[in-house]
Amino acid sequence: QVQLVQSGAEVKKPGASVKVSCKASGYTFTGYYMHWVRQAPGQGLEWMGWINPNSGGTNYAQKFQGRVTMTRDTSISTAYMELSRLRSDDTAVYYCARDLWPGRGDYGMDVWGQGTTVTVSS
Amino acid sequence: QSALTQPASVSGSPGQSITISCTGTSSDVGSYNLVSWYQQHPGKAPKLMIYEVSKRPSGVSNRFSGSKSGNTASLTISGLQAEDEADYYCCSYAGSSTYVVFGGGTKLTVL
Repeated sequence: QVQLVQSGAEVKKPGASVKVSCKASGYTFTGYYMHWVRQAPGQGLEWMGWINPNSGGTNYAQKFQGRVTMTRDTSISTAYMELSRLRSDDTAVYYCARDLWPGRGDYGMDVWGQGTTVTVSS
Repeated sequence: QSALTQPASVSGSPGQSITISCTGTSSDVGSYNLVSWYQQHPGKAPKLMIYEVSKRPSGVSNRFSGSKSGNTASLTISGLQAEDEADYYCCSYAGSSTYVVFGGGTKLTVL
């Protein structure tokens, strides 16, 4: 079945970087854009950006530009999201989510990973 | 502050219908039929309920329906059931600059 499995929880100090992985299975990884969405404790969903696994092209939300890097390894059907210069308000659950429509990044997110908790604390 | 505005909470009794609004602008909801809705139970990942304003993914109950008028999209849940109690988020494409925006979320309580 189609699924996304994310890496485990992380605890980081302010100023550090974190890299979260998202392994896809059950479908053609390069056929669907991958979004990254985060959710701070008790807060709503926040879109961070997407990566086109076929070309490696990315589109980042303005808020995260300069701090976020999305990459992929097509040989192992895995997408990555790295966030640098972490602050306490980056503490959140980070989700990867597949776009609904092949080759598009704007139709919605039909398959979600289980989420990865990132805690930033000194 | 979220880009799309949703009521913080709504409630209804079992069997009733409720509607959750999602107000954007002419740069997002008003310009594109690319509104989606997500249901999120506590501690769980979001689940896609509606896409392209009014389409339901396979497996989603037909008690869930979506619509749009101008800059406001709506999610209607009919025949409320206890299992519908969750947070609901709207989402819209917002053009090639901003790209994707979410609403702040609405907590649905089934009384």
